[in-house]
Amino acid sequence: SYELTQPPSVSVSPGQTARITCSGDALPKRYACWYQQKSGQAPVLVIYEDSKRPSAIPERFSGSISGTMATLTISGAQVEDEADYYCYSTDSSGNHRVFGGGTKLTVL
Amino acid sequence: EVQLVESGGGLVQPGGSLRLSCAASGFTFSSYWMSWVRQAPGKGLEWVANIKQDGSEKYYVDSVKGRFTISRDNAKNSLYLQMNNLRAEDTAVYYCARDQGQRYSSGFPDYWGQGTLVTVSS
Repeated sequence: SYELTQPPSVSVSPGQTARITCSGDALPKRYACWYQQKSGQAPVLVIYEDSKRPSAIPERFSGSISGTMATLTISGAQVEDEADYYCYSTDSSGNHRVFGGGTKLTVL
Repeated sequence: EVQLVESGGGLVQPGGSLRLSCAASGFTFSSYWMSWVRQAPGKGLEWVANIKQDGSEKYYVDSVKGRFTISRDNAKNSLYLQMNNLRAEDTAVYYCARDQGQRYSSGFPDYWGQGTLVTVSS
């Protein structure tokens, strides 16, 4: 079965740049999305179609893709950005939807 | 404002059944694919099922095929998940989500409800 691989955790100090990666063989062919989930809350879409940002999401959030790796970048991370982040995509056939295992971002 | 409100969760014994509902408002429900996604306690997100705008196409994760059925009632702006033969590993918060995109293969959830907890235990 298809898998998306994320690091379990990333830690940065406030104001630093946080980068969270997501690796998957089909990413060169399939769009990736990113979701932010704060403790006890529902997920929120922060990046879609690799690099597009919903209007309500701050500009410090950006997405990129290079080969089989998608990256979520938070430029000047803030304490309120502490959350779990999940990438999402499909396999090369588009038949199976998959979330990455999630990355816990700590900002302190 | 897009709103999705799930209901129907609770405690059920292994082998039992439960029907989840999701009430949608703030958008034209009949124009969107819809999804169910679940999250086991302390674990990550897992896509469960999708349904096309008119209900003519449905997709399921392998682990629930033959046990779960996704459906919708566009007249009532409601999404459902009928869950039969429940197992302990089905214990999770179940989220209803609106899909963005006109095809299953390129769609993704954009708005999510707050979820409803299903606990399968004797």
